[in-house]
Amino acid sequence: DQQVKQNSPSLSVQEGRISILNCDYTNSMFDYFLWYKKYPAEGPTFLISISSIKDKNEDGRFTVFLNKSAKHLSLHIVPSQPGDSAVYFCAAFAGGTSYGKLTFGQGTILTVHP
Amino acid sequence: IAGITQAPTSQILAAGRRMTLRCTQDMRHNAMYWYRQDLGLGLRLIHYSNTAGTTGKGEVPDGYSVSRANTDDFPLTLASAVPSQTSVYFCASSRPLGIQYFGAGTRLSVL
Repeated sequence: DQQVKQNSPSLSVQEGRISILNCDYTNSMFDYFLWYKKYPAEGPTFLISISSIKDKNEDGRFTVFLNKSAKHLSLHIVPSQPGDSAVYFCAAFAGGTSYGKLTFGQGTILTVHP
Repeated sequence: IAGITQAPTSQILAAGRRMTLRCTQDMRHNAMYWYRQDLGLGLRLIHYSNTAGTTGKGEVPDGYSVSRANTDDFPLTLASAVPSQTSVYFCASSRPLGIQYFGAGTRLSVL
């Protein structure tokens, strides 16, 4: 039972264009969502997060949008750069019940071409 | 600041052998976690510890055990390794309900 799903295994974009990575979840108890970025042979690193009381959070080139009614979130990267090429994981937890235990999606491999 | 240190970086192990993956953090975080990463499945939680002296089971705990004798260390033990435990293992730590910080991982192959 995959409670967090990233249905696109990979995404390829041109440098300077927008990258949009999508994530769907099924557990309505999730109230905090995060995006992690992972380079080969390294551990995941935190990128950006959003609480369920918000519908948008922005940090430089990265913006996360949350649509609670659709149980959907997305990460926008504008403009995309070759250094953004990595695996992106969406993650969620229910703050009141799971003490920060994250449930991860399968990951999306982003390739940004120069 | 080192953050999270995992050892070994990689290991090839014969099936049936015992193996302990080490994890040490220097951030004085209360919570620590072990995940395994498998292609197409993302990261799945094996075990966690909310504070020293306590541990709990995650999504895929079978075949693994952990201990948390102090704040800094959180070793993961495979008592009798099987090929299905071939994976990349990540340790993480956080403050309560905080962002999790990950180590670089241990790549384990069980033959």
